[in-house]
Amino acid sequence: KQEVTQIPAALSVPEGENLVLNCSFTDSAIYNLQWFRQDPGKGLTSLLLIQSSQREQTSGRLNASLDKSSGRSTLYIAASQPGDSATYLCAVRQDSGTYKYIFGTGTRLKVLA
Amino acid sequence: DGGITQSPKYLFRKEGQNVTLSCEQNLNHDAMYWYRQDPGQGLRLIYYSQIVNDFQKGDIAEGYSVSREKKESFPLTVTSAQKNPTAFYLCASSTLRAGTVIADQPQHFGDGTRLSIL
Repeated sequence: KQEVTQIPAALSVPEGENLVLNCSFTDSAIYNLQWFRQDPGKGLTSLLLIQSSQREQTSGRLNASLDKSSGRSTLYIAASQPGDSATYLCAVRQDSGTYKYIFGTGTRLKVLA
Repeated sequence: DGGITQSPKYLFRKEGQNVTLSCEQNLNHDAMYWYRQDPGQGLRLIYYSQIVNDFQKGDIAEGYSVSREKKESFPLTVTSAQKNPTAFYLCASSTLRAGTVIADQPQHFGDGTRLSIL
């Protein structure tokens, strides 16, 4: 059974720092992986989607990498800003036969001004 | 503006009552999902639907029911059999195509419904 883990559960950094969020999954046979952002009391916003054949995706100050063989993905945030404060979640889709996603528990990020 | 609308934003359930959460999307997405989020936990899948008139149970379907009579709508009923319904409920949708490209597109989420017991 696929399990998705995100460590640390919470992180505080000063403004301007570059940071890395981690996502691990136990079954490497995934179809794709998504990173999401969630603000308090709100839904999720998709940040980046990496197909299983890709190694990384970039959007602005965000870069997500995927290493299927080791069961790991990282989300790199460059030059962090207070507006980046939110909970970041990763989710994996197991195979092409189903639309089902399995989510990690998230990392709560606080960027201090 | 295209998106997903969940209503109501807050909902209170009395003992023994069934309540229905609404989810409507105008993104022309094929797949729709219902998730439950509890404090300190990730999202857990309740039900999902890949096409109209078809849906599958997720990991925690007991005490819940859904229907998919229209592509745009995927209502969730929390029945009296669900003994611990207090949670934040999120609806999402996605599609498999971007033009002629067949590949996953990102899931879009609504703003959620917070359900509490009276």
